[in-house]
Amino acid sequence: QSALTQPPSASGSPGQSVTISCTGTSSDVGGYNYVSWYQQHPGKAPKLMIYEVSKRPSGVPDRFSGSKSGNTASLTVSGLQTEDEADYYCSSYAGSDNLVFGGGTKLTVL
Amino acid sequence: QVQLVESGGGVVLPGRSLRLSCTASGFIFRIYDLHWVRQAPGKGLEWMTGISSDGSHKTYADSVKGRFTISRDNSNNTLFLQLNSLRAGDTAVYYCARGPGGWSFDYWGQGALVTVSS
Repeated sequence: QSALTQPPSASGSPGQSVTISCTGTSSDVGGYNYVSWYQQHPGKAPKLMIYEVSKRPSGVPDRFSGSKSGNTASLTVSGLQTEDEADYYCSSYAGSDNLVFGGGTKLTVL
Repeated sequence: QVQLVESGGGVVLPGRSLRLSCTASGFIFRIYDLHWVRQAPGKGLEWMTGISSDGSHKTYADSVKGRFTISRDNSNNTLFLQLNSLRAGDTAVYYCARGPGGWSFDYWGQGALVTVSS
């Protein structure tokens, strides 16, 4: 399976909103509602931010939201805060008991 | 609180083997699927393998099928990853992660670094 496509970088000023895209195919993102998003700060383990396209785990601020249209999923971070600066990865179930990740997006809070 | 702690990483020669362990605490280990995800230095995340709660079902990424083996010991709350025929491209931090369902991972360990080098 090929990795999902994410923009290498994204940025926004504090208080602004930013959306990160994650493009796959009908065999992964478009075919299943098993898209997740992870936040990873340098030197740390990933943290689950969104699962099943748009669900937020307990403790994740509602500033983080997820959606999907066709073969593209999106993570929106509203009201950007400095602590949101991190790498973000999407993942999707790809059928046949396989999971594929995106290449990651480095979010910079200006 | 949920904790996953990996161990067994280190430097290994190409072609050799290594076994990673992931010791869990703070949750009912035997009811959760578990996975291994790796991250090469400066690179993105790559799902490796997963195992069902009772150990009866195992899945592997094509890149490691036949070389890596996942297993678990529900009596001792431990997950394992046997890495054989290691190559330089296997150099990475290996994370164990809990899978609550729906192919997401809600808790991760701190990672174990495996370096394959002569």
